[in-house]
Parts: sequence; structure tokens; C-alpha cells
Amino acid sequence: SQTIHQWPATLVQPVGSPLSLECTVEGTSNPNLYWYRQAAGRGLQLLFYSVGIGQISSEVPQNLSASRPQDRQFILSSKKLLLSDSGFYLCAWSEPAAGDYGYTFGSGTRLTVV
Amino acid sequence: ILNVEQSPQSLHVQEGDSTNFTCSFPSSNFYALHWYRWETAKSPEALFVMTLNGDEKKKGRISATLNTKEGYSYLYIKGSQPEDSATYLCASGNTGGFKTIFGAGTRLFVKA
Repeated sequence: SQTIHQWPATLVQPVGSPLSLECTVEGTSNPNLYWYRQAAGRGLQLLFYSVGIGQISSEVPQNLSASRPQDRQFILSSKKLLLSDSGFYLCAWSEPAAGDYGYTFGSGTRLTVV
Repeated sequence: ILNVEQSPQSLHVQEGDSTNFTCSFPSSNFYALHWYRWETAKSPEALFVMTLNGDEKKKGRISATLNTKEGYSYLYIKGSQPEDSATYLCASGNTGGFKTIFGAGTRLFVKA
């Protein structure tokens, strides 16, 4: 069966520090991978998606970047965190035809930038 | 409608009550409508994915309907139980399936 792992679960970082959140998927090949963020009181916002190794699409201009160094690994990074980067970050995967099966989400990372 | 909108934002019901909430989405280039159940401290869990106008899906006491022409979906819970307390998210995907837009969710509280 397929599983998705995301870590760390919580993170408190000072403004200006770097960020690296990691997500890995097991039990499937060539998944579509996604990073979402939920800011306080708002819905899930798509940050990045990837349809293959090294292929990253960014949905919103921001202080963050994403990379996919391996088929089932998706990394969210920042060189210098801002206060506005605080939020709840979710990694997700889907079959290539996402509309048919929906998304499977990781357990999330609560990021607080202080 | 450019965004996915859910109403109400929150809902308090008594155990045994039946309830429903609404999701409105852009009807142009529609591909799929998803419903997720998100419990505190857990990951969102897929409930339904619907693609056809008039679709109706059911899982236990929870069911959903879809109207793609007018751009809305209803989620129904029959005989609410305290364990139904969660945030219910809907999401609309356009053709291609990548740019799925999520609503802000309906937060359901079921009191015993």
C-alpha cells in the first residue's frame, strides 16, 4: 500500500533562518507531488506541484522553493524565512490523473517563524 | 465564481441531527470535485471524488451530490455523531487536474 511521510511535525524557526521540509512517498511510482499551505483561518493554498523528477511548477510568488531530487521525494525550502511564512504545510501525492482519485496528504508540519 | 467557497464556516449540531453544507465552485473547465474530512491533528482524508453532473455518492451516513452546470455540491451527514466533528473541505479541479482549488472548509462540531 502507498504511504506518505512528512517531517518534521512542528518547527519553530527565527526570522532569516533557512528552512527544509521533506516529504517521501512509498508504494507508488511517478506520483504527482504537491506542497500546500494553510494560513490561519484560510483554506489550503497550492504552493508547488511536480509531475516528475526535477519538474517543479510554482503557483504563487513567494519566499519558498521546492525541489524533487528523486521520484518519490519532495522538498520545500527557504533561504531566509519571513514571519509571513508561518502556517501549516501539507505535502500530498496523487496518481497522474488527480481528478480520478483525489489526493493523499501527509501529516503536516506546523511552522512558526518568530 | 473564481474561488471555491464553502458555507457555513462553522456549524454546531446535537448528536443525532442531520446536517448539510455547501460548496460553490467555478463551473468553467470543471474536471472534478473532491470532499475531504480533516480531523484535528490528522491529515485530510478523501471522502468523495465526483466528476459527472448529477453524481451522488455515499459512504455510511455521509453522502454528496454534484451540480456542475450551476457549480455547487452538497455534503450531507445523517444522524451526526460526535466522531463526525471535523473540518470538511471541498476542492475543485480543472481540466488537467493539477490546479485544484480548496475551499476554507466547514468546521462541524457535534455535541453529545
